[in-house]
Amino acid sequence: DGGITQSPKYLFRKEGQNVTLSCEQNLNHDAMYWYRQDPGQGLRLIYYSQIVNDFQKGDIAEGYSVSREKKESFPLTVTSAQKNPTAFYLCASSKRTSGSLHTDTQYFGPGTRLTVL
Amino acid sequence: RKEVEQDPGPFNVPEGATVAFNCTYSNSASQSFFWYRQDCRKEPKLLMSVYSSGNEDGRFTAQLNRASQYISLLIRDSKLSDSATYLCVVNSEEGSGGGADGLTFGKGTHLIIQP
Repeated sequence: DGGITQSPKYLFRKEGQNVTLSCEQNLNHDAMYWYRQDPGQGLRLIYYSQIVNDFQKGDIAEGYSVSREKKESFPLTVTSAQKNPTAFYLCASSKRTSGSLHTDTQYFGPGTRLTVL
Repeated sequence: RKEVEQDPGPFNVPEGATVAFNCTYSNSASQSFFWYRQDCRKEPKLLMSVYSSGNEDGRFTAQLNRASQYISLLIRDSKLSDSATYLCVVNSEEGSGGGADGLTFGKGTHLIIQP
């Protein structure tokens, strides 16, 4: 089945540790995104990538890092510099139709719930 | 800053009723509009894209009012399974390739269908 997978579903981290969240898609989508969602809040963009080996900061990139070595994969590292990392992390992807004024639909993975102990 | 505003609710609606909620957006240059549904502790799932002419998918109807800068979602004959949070999503970057498609997410409207 085509889709987006994220792992792990739940992750516990001690303060001062870096952790990496996995995101994989087999939809052949060019663009991938990372968001975080806090209770009662809208999704906020952390990082995004429109093409392999390229990525851009979103609205709240501080304390996070990403890589895009393969089209299918866009892992997110939550570093110890992130002061309030406990949140629900969502990865998404979209086709990225070039030259269009319209935004392609984003499809989400099931999310990773990170808790800092 | 580009904003997308939604009434957080909760909207408590009896099963079988019709419910509608709106979402206002601040960027008049927005071109793409979506409604997503998010169940508790799950990922958002696309419910429908919103086209200029409005669109209908079964019991769901979405409409766009550019003059007043809002989109609406109407649910007819509501089912218990419609209980969820409905996210309004608007792109906030003009043209292609700008930003991360510039999507701005509303905080969602919580809908509870009661038996």
